[in-house]
Amino acid sequence: GQQVMQIPQYQHVQEGEDFTTYCNSSTTLSNIQWYKQRPGGHPVFLIQLVKSGEVKKQKRLTFQFGEAKKNSSLHITATQTTDVGTYFCAGPAGGTSYGKLTFGQGTILTVHP
Amino acid sequence: SAVISQKPSRDICQRGTSLTIQCQVDSQVTMMFWYRQQPGQSLTLIATANQGSEATYESGFVIDKFPISRPNLTFSTLTVSNMSPEDSSIYLCSALAPLGNEQFFGPGTRLTVL
Repeated sequence: GQQVMQIPQYQHVQEGEDFTTYCNSSTTLSNIQWYKQRPGGHPVFLIQLVKSGEVKKQKRLTFQFGEAKKNSSLHITATQTTDVGTYFCAGPAGGTSYGKLTFGQGTILTVHP
Repeated sequence: SAVISQKPSRDICQRGTSLTIQCQVDSQVTMMFWYRQQPGQSLTLIATANQGSEATYESGFVIDKFPISRPNLTFSTLTVSNMSPEDSSIYLCSALAPLGNEQFFGPGTRLTVL
């Protein structure tokens, strides 16, 4: 079945440093979604990318979808303590599984002030 | 966006007992899902809650252990039956956005089985 791999598993940065997490799928995706889960919280939808090579920005966050639509990345510029949490990518589960998502393992980001 | 509430937020249960978790959405949604998440881990889909029909379970999850109800388009329950310590986890419900592909999640239920 489809697999969504995410690296790194953990990332520790000093406040102000940049951060990037990478997501790779075993199959071509129609779209990729990114979620953020704060410690003790629940996943919150950040963004969806649909087009090959698409780049979207949300303030200090930049999301990219690969040309082959099998990989994606999330880059945070000048991290802040409010960026702490786990970042998940997720792709459609495929086949007839409408609405279902396959989540990556997540990258746990800690930011040291 | 949809606002989702879950009850209870947490519980401590004895092995062999059952717990029913409720999930309420503030608007009608076509699809609802139940996930399990161990601390520090990813989300594992348990099943899709189908309105008016039996839930669709993922590999490794069975109806006898995790019966699910979905009586209408805004509500679903997940029961964790005959619990063992291995069932200790966070259980999350989610709903598919009405006009998109993203999911909105409830706050989760933290279950501890002794």
